[in-house]
Amino acid sequence: QKEVEQDPGPLSVPEGAIVSLNCTYSNSAFQYFMWYRQYSRKGPELLMYTYSSGNKEDGRFTAQVDKSSKYISLFIRDSQPSDSATYLCAMSPQNSGYSTLTFGKGTMLLVSP
Amino acid sequence: GAVVSQHPSWVICKSGTSVKIECRSLDFQATTMFWYRQFPKQSLMLMATSNEGSKATYEQGVEKDKFLINHASLTLSTLTVTSAHPEDSSFYICSTPPATMGTQYFGPGTRLLVL
Repeated sequence: QKEVEQDPGPLSVPEGAIVSLNCTYSNSAFQYFMWYRQYSRKGPELLMYTYSSGNKEDGRFTAQVDKSSKYISLFIRDSQPSDSATYLCAMSPQNSGYSTLTFGKGTMLLVSP
Repeated sequence: GAVVSQHPSWVICKSGTSVKIECRSLDFQATTMFWYRQFPKQSLMLMATSNEGSKATYEQGVEKDKFLINHASLTLSTLTVTSAHPEDSSFYICSTPPATMGTQYFGPGTRLLVL
């Protein structure tokens, strides 16, 4: 079983839809969870950062972590064509320093106008 | 946030040639930079960590003689793919190490195509 599993998609939705992106993981030591957005041919950029279980909201984005199920989600409300990108989940057992992140393969999201 | 640039943004080369990719920190000094490789529809895989003033550290399975990393200064790290082959075709991305609150700044990436 891979450490981090993420459905590659593509996930196609109409503009205005609520999008749900998910990752599952197997390493119970992961405590810090991140979502990155990567536009085509660009480097990833950090969208959301959460620690342990719970929800975190930032504008149209909500990150949710369920450590008991080893499952994390990113919700996008009122999706826009500009949200079309690949969304990578990443996680780490540590908060800082030179600990490396374990990335999912990314889910490609396509939002049509 | 910190700005990281990469050059070139894309390169096409013949099999057997060497390609150098530059990663620059534009508004900060970096003693450490990470180098990732990303194949299509695959996750980012850490290749190596470049360290200013010392040797790079490579992840398991990454050939250090093939992927030469030099941290020339506090603003420049380079990755040289020596004797490139078609299987080296990939997207190479440098980044700062993960810091607090998950902050990690990635370069825009370099797409390498080896014919």
